[in-house]
Amino acid sequence: AQSVSQHNHHVILSEAASLELGCNYSYGGTVNLFWYVQYPGQHLQLLLKYFSGDPLVKGIKGFEAEFIKSKFSFNLRKPSVQWSDTAEYFCAVRGNNQGGKLIFGQGTELSVKP
Amino acid sequence: EAGVTQFPSHSVIEKGQTVTLRCDPISGHDNLYWYRRVMGKEIKFLLHFVKESKQDESGMPNNRFLAERTGGTYSTLKVQPAELEDSGVYFCASRGDGGYEQYFGPGTRLTVT
Repeated sequence: AQSVSQHNHHVILSEAASLELGCNYSYGGTVNLFWYVQYPGQHLQLLLKYFSGDPLVKGIKGFEAEFIKSKFSFNLRKPSVQWSDTAEYFCAVRGNNQGGKLIFGQGTELSVKP
Repeated sequence: EAGVTQFPSHSVIEKGQTVTLRCDPISGHDNLYWYRRVMGKEIKFLLHFVKESKQDESGMPNNRFLAERTGGTYSTLKVQPAELEDSGVYFCASRGDGGYEQYFGPGTRLTVT
């Protein structure tokens, strides 16, 4: 069965610290990979995506993620977090022949202290 | 362009009652998805409409849940009768044909007491 695992439930950082959120997935075929973010009181929105090509993808607000096929991983990174990055982050996968449905991880709540 | 909207934003009902959630997708989006997040757990897929047809309903938990999308526009998700374990946040998302991004609504928080 397809599944997505996010390593941390809650991460607390100080401003300017570097961030890495882990994401591993289990799926037997070609996948598309996504990170979504939900800021307090707002909708889920797409942060970045990987379909093919360069495994290092850049998203909005300075975020990037690296797809490592051999490790079934798609970790999210940001060199220097800001207080405004406080949010919940969701890793998701979609199989190429799955009609578009997303399989989500459990979510990681990030709190950035000013 | 208006985003995905959901109604109501919150609903508190008693076990055994019926609740109907509504989702209005972005205009012109043929694909509509329902997801649910039970507290502390992952967001789980429920079903996928393409226009008015159910493309995939593999995530629907049981026959107490009924989803419709008459006319291929808005969708409703009815829970009848509601059970305690149905509590959670119900998200709707829409996607344009040929696009890859799902645009999510704000969710409906359902509490069954």
